[in-house]
Amino acid sequence: DQQVKQNSPSLSVQEGRISILNCDYTNSMFDYFLWYKKYPAEGPTFLISISSIKDKNEDGRFTVFLNKSAKHLSLHIVPSQPGDSAVYFCAEKGTGANNLFFGTGTRLTVIP
Amino acid sequence: DVKVTQSSRYLVKRTGEKVFLECVQDMDHENMFWYRQDPGLGLRLIYFSYDVKMKEKGDIPEGYSVSREKKERFSLILESASTNQTSMYLCASSTPEGGRYEQYFGPGTRLTVT
Repeated sequence: DQQVKQNSPSLSVQEGRISILNCDYTNSMFDYFLWYKKYPAEGPTFLISISSIKDKNEDGRFTVFLNKSAKHLSLHIVPSQPGDSAVYFCAEKGTGANNLFFGTGTRLTVIP
Repeated sequence: DVKVTQSSRYLVKRTGEKVFLECVQDMDHENMFWYRQDPGLGLRLIYFSYDVKMKEKGDIPEGYSVSREKKERFSLILESASTNQTSMYLCASSTPEGGRYEQYFGPGTRLTVT
């Protein structure tokens, strides 16, 4: 069974509005969650992370929220820009693991 | 600046050929990874290595092997390419320092097997 789930394969948002990308997980033993952004024909690039001991982390237009009781995290992008159009992956760094488990990705399209 | 390079951006091979995909990182990272990315399936881990000459199977190792003779280089080998191995292949590296194990990715190799 998928350890990290991104149930929305795609999302469209108007420029200037908020984009919310969601991720659910099953493993409670983790150290970090990371978000990656991927443009076509390029490798994923790291965007933002959150430690298991926090419930929010903010970096500019990007904020990640972690709800451990619901085993859910979300990435908020405010305001959304056309250059944010990409596939976004959430990834889990499990406790004791030295690799990451990636979700299936959500394709975000920001409409000008 | 952090850099992971992959030997080819695009590759076309015939069924049954042996295929080598090379990855080099210049960050002195201990860990290196090979993934494939397919639509709707996300990034699936094929193999990873946490040290020279060490390797661990990922989620989908069948039909693949790897080699890590030097710390900076991690090779993915398709012993006998098949059409279902047509995919985007991504290499990454990471270090345990900081505990986050953030992975740095190369640009990817789009492999087509005909």
